[in-house]
Amino acid sequence: RKEVEQDPGPFNVPEGATVAFNCTYSNSASQSFFWYRQDCRKEPKLLMSVYSSGNEDGRFTAQLNRASQYISLLIRDSKLSDSATYLCVARHQAGTALIFGKGTTLSVSS
Amino acid sequence: DAMVIQNPRYQVTQFGKPVTLSCSQTLNHNVMYWYQQKSSQAPKLLFHYYDKDFNNEADTPDNFQSRRPNTSFCFLDIRSPGLGDAAMYLCATSPELISNQPQHFGDGTRLSIL
Repeated sequence: RKEVEQDPGPFNVPEGATVAFNCTYSNSASQSFFWYRQDCRKEPKLLMSVYSSGNEDGRFTAQLNRASQYISLLIRDSKLSDSATYLCVARHQAGTALIFGKGTTLSVSS
Repeated sequence: DAMVIQNPRYQVTQFGKPVTLSCSQTLNHNVMYWYQQKSSQAPKLLFHYYDKDFNNEADTPDNFQSRRPNTSFCFLDIRSPGLGDAAMYLCATSPELISNQPQHFGDGTRLSIL
């Protein structure tokens, strides 16, 4: 079982749609969580950290459920520029790697 | 302004010919990481430096080495590249080894093996 698993995607949505991505992690010792965005053939870029209380950044909302070991990302009012692969990331102790999910691809069309 | 800079963006080398990829940072971060990302796969950590302290991941092949001559620069050396080493190589930094700090990635170097 992979340590971080994501919806396989791809998600194809029209502009303005609301889309949600789910992610589960298997290591209960995971301490920190992030969503990264990766455009085709580019580097991952931090989208947002994920906090237990949930957090929002503009059209993006991230939530963490430690009991269920579940992370989500909600994108409201999708834009064409949101088209990318979204990587769910966990880190289970200081000094170790970011553990990436394989990513979920989002394609927003007009 | 680019803060984690990788050179070159694209590197082509011959099978078995040593190659060096470079990374520099203007963030003055203590930790520098090298990841390998193959097509349609998640990035995989090869090793990291905390200051001058080198930490190798258990499953990183011996073919991969790294050097960090100073805070700003870190190099990835592939001694004898094989076809399976063709990938995107990503350098990342973080201020400290604290789990809630995200890592900042460079643009990556895409390595091709002939």
